[in-house]
Amino acid sequence: GQQVMQIPQYQHVQEGEDFTTYCNSSTTLSNIQWYKQRPGGHPVFLIQLVKSGEVKKQKRLTFQFGEAKKNSSLHITATQTTDVGTYFCAGRYTGTASKLTFGTGTRLQVTL
Amino acid sequence: GAGVSQSPRYKVAKRGQDVALRCDPISGHVSLFWYQQALGQGPEFLTYFQNEAQLDKSGLPSDRFFAERPEGSVSTLKIQRTQQEDSAVYLCASSRGAALAKNIQYFGAGTRLSVL
Repeated sequence: GQQVMQIPQYQHVQEGEDFTTYCNSSTTLSNIQWYKQRPGGHPVFLIQLVKSGEVKKQKRLTFQFGEAKKNSSLHITATQTTDVGTYFCAGRYTGTASKLTFGTGTRLQVTL
Repeated sequence: GAGVSQSPRYKVAKRGQDVALRCDPISGHVSLFWYQQALGQGPEFLTYFQNEAQLDKSGLPSDRFFAERPEGSVSTLKIQRTQQEDSAVYLCASSRGAALAKNIQYFGAGTRLSVL
């Protein structure tokens, strides 16, 4: 079936260090979204990527969609304690309408 | 309302009991989704509505799970004869529509179901 895997499962960084999470799909995606979930909270939409090779930036966050539309990454520059949470990618596949397949998530811990 | 509202926030059920979880989407949102999130996992798709029509229920784990959205607004997820493996957070999300520019999903706070 269609699966979306993320690595790493968990990362602990010191404040100011960079962080990257990678997302891989077994089959080609139509588009991909990224969500952040704070501890005890619910997923909050960050960005949507649609085009092959697309790169989008939001302040310290950089999102990439691979050329083959099977992988994606989120990079955070100079992490802050407010970045703590779990980051999920969520992909859509052709023919599955609005259904999102969430990745396994990467939990980010940031300490001073 | 300002966001997606879910009730109750917490539900404790005895094994075998039936439960009903409610979702109030953002006003005017056409699409509504239900997800199940186990501890430490990503949300898993259960079912999707466009207005009152249930277009995809491929993620419902068994025939004990049933969802409805009779008037195209509020939705209810019902679980019959609950079992311990049903313990999870049930998330509801809504979006303006299915088109690319409208498909951002806004999530509610979820209902945490514990089956004893």
